[in-house]
Amino acid sequence: GAVVSQHPSWVICKSGTSVKIECRSLDFQATTMFWYRQFPKQSLMLMATSNEGSKATYEQGVEKDKFLINHASLTLSTLTVTSAHPEDSSFYICSARGPGHYEQYFGPGTRLTVT
Amino acid sequence: GNSVTQMEGPVTLSEEAFLTINCTYTATGYPSLFWYVQYPGEGLQLLLKATKADDKGSNKGFEATYRKETTSFHLEKGSVQVSDSAVYFCALSDSGGGADGLTFGKGTHLIIQP
Repeated sequence: GAVVSQHPSWVICKSGTSVKIECRSLDFQATTMFWYRQFPKQSLMLMATSNEGSKATYEQGVEKDKFLINHASLTLSTLTVTSAHPEDSSFYICSARGPGHYEQYFGPGTRLTVT
Repeated sequence: GNSVTQMEGPVTLSEEAFLTINCTYTATGYPSLFWYVQYPGEGLQLLLKATKADDKGSNKGFEATYRKETTSFHLEKGSVQVSDSAVYFCALSDSGGGADGLTFGKGTHLIIQP
């Protein structure tokens, strides 16, 4: 149980375009989802926290207009990177937490490359 | 702010060797501490956790003790196996159990040779 999937697993897009990454909880209801970003040989950095039906809370330094997060249902959150640039190339990882539970369950990540 | 520092890898050991991966942290208050493991192609999985000082988390032969006096949470295993090869992340959360977002170390790549 407690499986989180991400789609796509990797994506290449051209500079200036937007790309959407999906995070799904497959067998539980995720009241809270987290989005992290990981650079090579670096730690995972929390980007934002989203609660179902509410606006996401972004960490300091993360541009909310560039990284649009939607958590419209209890099983799906999306991260849209708008007007992507090469510096947005990274590994994006989501995690999800169910009601009354503290443990976060992580997705396998999405590799974004912006050319 | 919070931060986690862990030894950088890769760490290469022979099967049945003793493993220690060091982790120290900086945090306000009394954080909860975690070790996550990431196998190739998979998402991070919680390996063990400790929520208060002197607690010992353990799972699959791995152990780590929450040492408040040294702000450390070192991961140990007495006899590693090839199947333990993975990337290990130390992490902390301000909230009990990890209800909030986590602060991670950079990860330590562990390679176990037969």
